[in-house]
Amino acid sequence: DQQVKQNSPSLSVQEGRISILNCDYTNSMFDYFLWYKKYPAEGPTFLISISSIKDKNEDGRFTVFLNKSAKHLSLHIVPSQPGDSAVYFCAASPRNTGNQFYFGTGTSLTVIP
Amino acid sequence: SAVISQKPSRDICQRGTSLTIQCQVDSQVTMMFWYRQQPGQSLTLIATANQGSEATYESGFVIDKFPISRPNLTFSTLTVSNMSPEDSSIYLCSVEWTGYQETQYFGPGTRLLVL
Repeated sequence: DQQVKQNSPSLSVQEGRISILNCDYTNSMFDYFLWYKKYPAEGPTFLISISSIKDKNEDGRFTVFLNKSAKHLSLHIVPSQPGDSAVYFCAASPRNTGNQFYFGTGTSLTVIP
Repeated sequence: SAVISQKPSRDICQRGTSLTIQCQVDSQVTMMFWYRQQPGQSLTLIATANQGSEATYESGFVIDKFPISRPNLTFSTLTVSNMSPEDSSIYLCSVEWTGYQETQYFGPGTRLLVL
């Protein structure tokens, strides 16, 4: 059973515009969330995280929003750049009960120059 | 951050054989993890490896199929035993990092194709 879902397998955005990647989860025990970026033939690279005590965390061009009541998080990239083209994975963890990360299936972002 | 390397980066193996994947970290870490990413799927945790203790396997994964070693704080191996085509995947190791933001850092992965 997929506890973390990314329903959009792909997304195309014009350079300079905003990219919004979405992620939904089902387990109410999840209290820590992360976004990773993955280029072909490389391992996932950590981007940004958010704890359930917050609803927003910002790091440069990347902002993660968490809506606990909807069990939904999103990653905003502003402005989008061609180098942002990659597969983005969201992950969730029941941090207080273990260190396991549950990953979504990924969204492939293409930023068009 | 941690820098992680894996060997081999890719391999093509015959059915029924075994392959051992090595994971090396440039700093000492307590917890290391092994993941599998099958084509079109998410990353799935195989097991957690702590130095000096037996690895803890997730549901659906067993030690006989995926034996793991963790001889010290910078190194681990995962063996894929008695391989079948269904084992064709990317295998990734990661390490827990509790710096400014708690996360896991991943190695580049090992692409395995079983014929």
